[in-house]
Amino acid sequence: KQEVTQIPAALSVPEGENLVLNCSFTDSAIYNLQWFRQDPGKGLTSLLLIQSSQREQTSGRLNASLDKSSGRSTLYIAASQPGDSATYLCAVPANYGQNFVFGPGTRLSVLP
Amino acid sequence: EPEVTQTPSHQVTQMGQEVILRCVPISNHLYFYWYRQILGQKVEFLVSFYNNEISEKSEIFDDQFSVERPDGSNFTLKIRSTKLEDSAMYFCASGLESGSGELFFGEGSRLTVL
Repeated sequence: KQEVTQIPAALSVPEGENLVLNCSFTDSAIYNLQWFRQDPGKGLTSLLLIQSSQREQTSGRLNASLDKSSGRSTLYIAASQPGDSATYLCAVPANYGQNFVFGPGTRLSVLP
Repeated sequence: EPEVTQTPSHQVTQMGQEVILRCVPISNHLYFYWYRQILGQKVEFLVSFYNNEISEKSEIFDDQFSVERPDGSNFTLKIRSTKLEDSAMYFCASGLESGSGELFFGEGSRLTVL
């Protein structure tokens, strides 16, 4: 059964810092991994999708990497801004199924 | 940019009442999902729907739940007799591909059962 964990659970940094969020999953037989952003009381916004054949995906100040064999992904945020404050979730498909298993998220606060 | 829309944004109901949550997925998507998130907990899968039938469902999705795509655009989740523990944010999602494709989520419907 696929399980997803994320560390740290919460992170508070001053504006301008580069930071790394970590995601681990137990079953490496995945099609892809997706990172989402969730603002309080809101829906999930897709940030990046990495296919299993890719090692990295970039969008603006965000860079996500995937190491399938070790069951890990990282989300790198460069030059953080207060507007980046949110909860960041990673999700992977459950055992070749259609549904996604979510991690508990990392709650990020970027202080001005 | 196309988006998944959900209504209502918030519904308050009495225990035992029926609730229908509605979703309009992105128009050319083929796979549809419902997830839920109890306050402070993980996002959990409920059900996936493809080709007008349920393709997968979780243990949470018991006989009290049903889904329907009545008219080719709407995708609904019905809870027949709500319980206190059904209070959660319910998210609809859609995707163009199964498994390997990107998921797009709506803003959610917050259900409060009193």
